[in-house]
Amino acid sequence: DAKTTQPPSMDCAEGRAANLPCNHSTISGNEYVYWYRQIHSQGPQYIIHGLKNNETNEMASLIITEDRKSSTLILPHATLRDTAVYYCIVDNYGQNFVFGPGTRLSVLP
Amino acid sequence: NAGVTQTPKFQVLKTGQSMTLQCAQDMNHNSMYWYRQDPGMGLRLIYYSASEGTTDKGEVPNGYNVSRLNKREFSLRLESAAPSQTSVYFCASIETKGASDTQYFGPGTRLTVL
Repeated sequence: DAKTTQPPSMDCAEGRAANLPCNHSTISGNEYVYWYRQIHSQGPQYIIHGLKNNETNEMASLIITEDRKSSTLILPHATLRDTAVYYCIVDNYGQNFVFGPGTRLSVLP
Repeated sequence: NAGVTQTPKFQVLKTGQSMTLQCAQDMNHNSMYWYRQDPGMGLRLIYYSASEGTTDKGEVPNGYNVSRLNKREFSLRLESAAPSQTSVYFCASIETKGASDTQYFGPGTRLTVL
């Protein structure tokens, strides 16, 4: 079973920031938080990952709470092409890489 | 640099037929995985290979076999296809940096078993 909990769906207005939450209250000290997304029927696409510190790359920002029990993926300026299912996964050394149902993000014009 | 490629893109089989799904990566990664994704569901791990010459079962291995032919290629075989194996199959190649793994996925093979 997935070790994360995400809302099943969210809407976001185009051009606004999309904030996708994830709860992982049973995360262990050496597990990373990963975010992937799947656009329509394509293969999942890696977005970002982190351990303790907040992370930012060209696609998104990842905010991890101090107790590491939850995190938020931020897409700063959502576009229609960001409409996808977003998966939050916690894992260490590929031992428990489980894709749950994810959050279906709809970016609205 | 093609990343991860999969063939075929689509396939229709009759119950009892066999086929092999091919996957190749050009990123020099050691680990490769096979997943299946049923409609409206997340991905489930079928088999994985941590390095050339090794394979291990994942969550749903029954009805499948795999071969890690070399570092680049990891194939998935259905010996006797069943309608329950109708699914989209994704291959992934894993980049390992320290304790973190990043997975790069192929475009998928859409399989229908009649």
